[in-house]
Amino acid sequence: DGGITQSPKYLFRKEGQNVTLSCEQNLNHDAMYWYRQDPGQGLRLIYYSQIVNDFQKGDIAEGYSVSREKKESFPLTVTSAQKNPTAFYLCASSSGTGSSYNEQFFGPGTRLTVL
Amino acid sequence: AQSVTQPDIHITVSEGASLELRCNYSYGATPYLFWYVQSPGQGLQLLLKYFSGDTLVQGIKGFEAEFKRSQSSFNLRKPSVHWSDAAEYFCAVGSTDSWGKLQFGAGTQVVVTP
Repeated sequence: DGGITQSPKYLFRKEGQNVTLSCEQNLNHDAMYWYRQDPGQGLRLIYYSQIVNDFQKGDIAEGYSVSREKKESFPLTVTSAQKNPTAFYLCASSSGTGSSYNEQFFGPGTRLTVL
Repeated sequence: AQSVTQPDIHITVSEGASLELRCNYSYGATPYLFWYVQSPGQGLQLLLKYFSGDTLVQGIKGFEAEFKRSQSSFNLRKPSVHWSDAAEYFCAVGSTDSWGKLQFGAGTQVVVTP
């Protein structure tokens, strides 16, 4: 079945450690996105990538980094510079490029807890 | 500034009753509108979308939404809710000049009582 996988589902890290969240899609989508979700705040865009080897900062990119070396993969690193990293992280993808606009498909999410 | 407002943080509805969730947006360009649903600890599932054309759109699970340009609204409705409709619902808006980036509302939590 086509879809988006995120791993792990739950992740625990000590304060000051970097951690990488995985996102893989087999939908052959060009665009991929990372969101952070906190209670009562909806989803906020961290980074997005419209094409391989290119990505753009979203609204809350500070303390995060990404790479897009393959079309199907868009890993997110939460660095020690992120002041409040405990949150639910969602990865999404969409098929459109250029001016075409398509809906985003979401993965199941990773809950990160920093102790 | 672009924004999406869901005025109701929490709604309680009886099983079998009708449901309406409100969404208002502020966007300069032609909006593209979406409603997503999220069960606890899960990702988001698309219920319906509006790009153009008929302003009343039908979605999955018996939901529909109406785009009203004059009111900058895109309210979600369901005539008769089921216990399985208990979830959080998000309205999202994009536009022709912000390709791929969606602005999400804060969400409405729906509780269904017997």
